[in-house]
Amino acid sequence: QKEVEQDPGPLSVPEGAIVSLNCTYSNSAFQYFMWYRQYSRKGPELLMYTYSSGNKEDGRFTAQVDKSSKYISLFIRDSQPSDSATYLCAMSASGGTALIFGKGTTLSVSS
Amino acid sequence: GAGVSQTPSNKVTEKGKYVELRCDPISGHTALYWYRQSLGQGPEFLIYFQGTGAADDSGLPNDRFFAVRPEGSVSTLKIQRTERGDSAVYLCASSLKLNTGELFFGEGSRLTVL
Repeated sequence: QKEVEQDPGPLSVPEGAIVSLNCTYSNSAFQYFMWYRQYSRKGPELLMYTYSSGNKEDGRFTAQVDKSSKYISLFIRDSQPSDSATYLCAMSASGGTALIFGKGTTLSVSS
Repeated sequence: GAGVSQTPSNKVTEKGKYVELRCDPISGHTALYWYRQSLGQGPEFLIYFQGTGAADDSGLPNDRFFAVRPEGSVSTLKIQRTERGDSAVYLCASSLKLNTGELFFGEGSRLTVL
């Protein structure tokens, strides 16, 4: 079993839809949880950052972490064509360990 | 510049050749990371530096891969005797906050080994 599992999609939705992306993980030591967005032929850019469990909201984006279930989610409200990209979950433990990424989910929002 | 700069953006080489990939991090960022991303996959950790020293090189796949950061700023990833399986996008990232995952990535160096 990989440390981080993420369904690669692709996921296609119409403009204005609510999008739900998620990842599961196996390492209970993970404490930092991130979502990165990657446009084609570009480097990943940090979208959301959460420490430990809970929710975090930033505009149309909400990140949720459930450490008891080892499950994290990213919700996108009122999706826009500009949201079309690959979304990567990433996580790390404390103490100098590397950031581990999921495979990424490719999202396409049609106008 | 304002962001992480990587050169070359594209590199095509022949099997068995030596390759160097360069990364110039954001000024003031002490942590620097190298990742490799194959098509349809997420970035795979290779090595990270805190200052001049390699804090964790556990992701380097074998001894053909080596990275240096002699003055604590620019880093070079070196690949000897390249193989077709080394073809990927090599991503560099830097961060100000150590160990929290808030990484700033460059656009990557796309390596193709023929």
